[in-house]
Amino acid sequence: EPEVTQTPSHQVTQMGQEVILRCVPISNHLYFYWYRQILGQKVEFLVSFYNNEISEKSEIFDDQFSVERPDGSNFTLKIRSTKLEDSAMYFCASSQARQPQHFGDGTRLSIL
Amino acid sequence: DAKTTQPTSMDCAEGRAANLPCNHSTISGNEYVYWYRQIHSQGPQYIIHGLKNNETNEMASLIITEDRKSSTLILPHATLRDTAVYYCIVEPRSGSARQLTFGSGSQLTVLP
Repeated sequence: EPEVTQTPSHQVTQMGQEVILRCVPISNHLYFYWYRQILGQKVEFLVSFYNNEISEKSEIFDDQFSVERPDGSNFTLKIRSTKLEDSAMYFCASSQARQPQHFGDGTRLSIL
Repeated sequence: DAKTTQPTSMDCAEGRAANLPCNHSTISGNEYVYWYRQIHSQGPQYIIHGLKNNETNEMASLIITEDRKSSTLILPHATLRDTAVYYCIVEPRSGSARQLTFGSGSQLTVLP
């Protein structure tokens, strides 16, 4: 069964550094999403992306965050200058139009 | 989006049916009921969704009351691997890329 894959599984970064989280969505999906989950808290929506542009974004997704689909297969989340509070699991998801979202197993981001 | 209410935790004996309730009394006519689960900080996994008719797939059954104000997810023969947090999410069908709003969910523990 096709699946969403995320790399790396664990990323450790110094505060203030830039980090890029990578996702390979399911190949025939057209809608892409990032969510995050701080340890012990709820899964929170960050951003959705369709047709090479952002469709929706939450208040969390400020100017420090950006997303890109650099080629036909990857979908990336960049955090420009990481803060301690960015430490979380970051989940990528993809979907077809009006179909369920399918999630990857996440990247655990640890900011030191 | 309509809000959902779920019990914080439930137990079920292995091999028995697990019945997970969800209240969504403010659901509107264009909103579907989705169920996802999250096994120990893995990515959320889609289980099933429905609008007003009962639905069944290889994982579970979804029973939606006639007034659509509540639903029950049924895992017919629970196994230890079904231990997870189960999320009931109400999602509008309009719009292209839709954000999922996760609550706290129900922690299902399947006991040997």
